Amino acid sequence: ETGVTQTPRHLVMGMTNKKSLKCEQHLGHNAMYWYKQSAKKPLELMFVYNFKEQTENNSVPSRFSPECPNSSHLFLHLHTLQPEDSALYLCASSQEGGGRGGNIQYFGAGTRLSVL
Amino acid sequence: TQLLEQSPQFLSIQEGENLTVYCNSSSVFSSLQWYRQEPGEGPVLLVTVVTGGEVKKLKRLTFQFGDARKDSSLHITAAQPGDTGLYLCAGGGLNNAGNMLTFGGGTRLMVKP
Repeated sequence: ETGVTQTPRHLVMGMTNKKSLKCEQHLGHNAMYWYKQSAKKPLELMFVYNFKEQTENNSVPSRFSPECPNSSHLFLHLHTLQPEDSALYLCASSQEGGGRGGNIQYFGAGTRLSVL
Repeated sequence: TQLLEQSPQFLSIQEGENLTVYCNSSSVFSSLQWYRQEPGEGPVLLVTVVTGGEVKKLKRLTFQFGDARKDSSLHITAAQPGDTGLYLCAGGGLNNAGNMLTFGGGTRLMVKP
């Protein structure tokens, strides 16, 4: 148990569906992240939130829409996805301002997404 | 081209063997982290190194940060089936990018009993 909980663990959706991924961290951290992990690529950073403010959008298509209502919760809203969006979506959190060794990120178990 | 190159990409060995995996870059990082990811789970932090030349040991795992803080290695002694997983290195502080991490492509290790 890393203190970061993601739901659902598995999701199958059609290209016309709308769904949301949820992430909750119980570590008191002030930064949260969404990553995409697919079979043939390294972990790809999608979005970063510091103190609930989005500080990074790594050229992610608009069919992915993040939401951070407070520092403990992070959502990823999905709509009109493509089959190539099928991947493991990982959420992480960290404590910003922890010094050189302080950007340690704690990951959830991920949501395995399949787009049909 | 990835900023952090890990090698080998895949490694299959017998229980009891030793192995080393590498994480190389032409960029300088303020810290380097190693994670292990098991099937169906997210990456779990193993160690963080922050000083050039630093060596850290975690039971049978030895981590080293290069003197110039551009590369790192992970050595496992007497590997066990429980060591099986995806090993990821991640560099922090690139271009003073605060809390951002740059991940390598990973080394997928299988240890056969």
